[in-house]
Amino acid sequence: AQKITQTQPGMFVQEKEAVTLDCTYDTSDQSYGLFWYKQPSSGEMIFLIYQGSYDEQNATEGRYSLNFQKARKSANLVISASQLGDSAMYFCAMRERPGNQFYFGTGTSLTVIP
Amino acid sequence: DSGVTQTPKHLITATGQRVTLRCSPRSGDLSVYWYQQSLDQGLQFLIHYYNGEERAKGNILERFSAQQFPDLHSELNLSSLELGDSALYFCASSVTSGGAVGSRETQYFGPGTRLLVL
Repeated sequence: AQKITQTQPGMFVQEKEAVTLDCTYDTSDQSYGLFWYKQPSSGEMIFLIYQGSYDEQNATEGRYSLNFQKARKSANLVISASQLGDSAMYFCAMRERPGNQFYFGTGTSLTVIP
Repeated sequence: DSGVTQTPKHLITATGQRVTLRCSPRSGDLSVYWYQQSLDQGLQFLIHYYNGEERAKGNILERFSAQQFPDLHSELNLSSLELGDSALYFCASSVTSGGAVGSRETQYFGPGTRLLVL
């Protein structure tokens, strides 16, 4: 079974609108971390936001927020006020214990339309 | 700029050859991770080193090996290369081994080495 599932291969959003990128995960651990990374066309992986399994509040980092629904095992990324520079691939990842391996989803390609 | 450096940026070689990819972690980071990103396999974890010791192995082929040196830089050696080894190879680093409960410690990725095997 896939550890991380991203069901949206591609998404389009109008500039200045909000967009939600879906991520579901599979783990039997109680302690785990969820991460979102952005990969622009240049190729580098940029860390965006983190949510811990014990965190009671949804994580926020500037225009990024994470809609964490533990019972449903989902960790959707919400980008508010989209900008042209947000066009990129977005990857959801999970780290579970033991060990420190990161599991990545297949990514969602986001295109922001002017 | 994440602070993680990788060399070379691009590498073109032939099947059957051997190459070495180099990674320098962020200053102060003790952990180095290697990942392979290909079109058909996505982003796959290969191996994790912490302070010179191997900590975890993922989907790393026997033809591949890695090590972390006393100065904490790491090298990924790929031998008997095949066409299917063509991919973007990332190195990432973190401060610790990241195993603490609730750790929000992330991994910072280098720019990657793009390997093309012809």
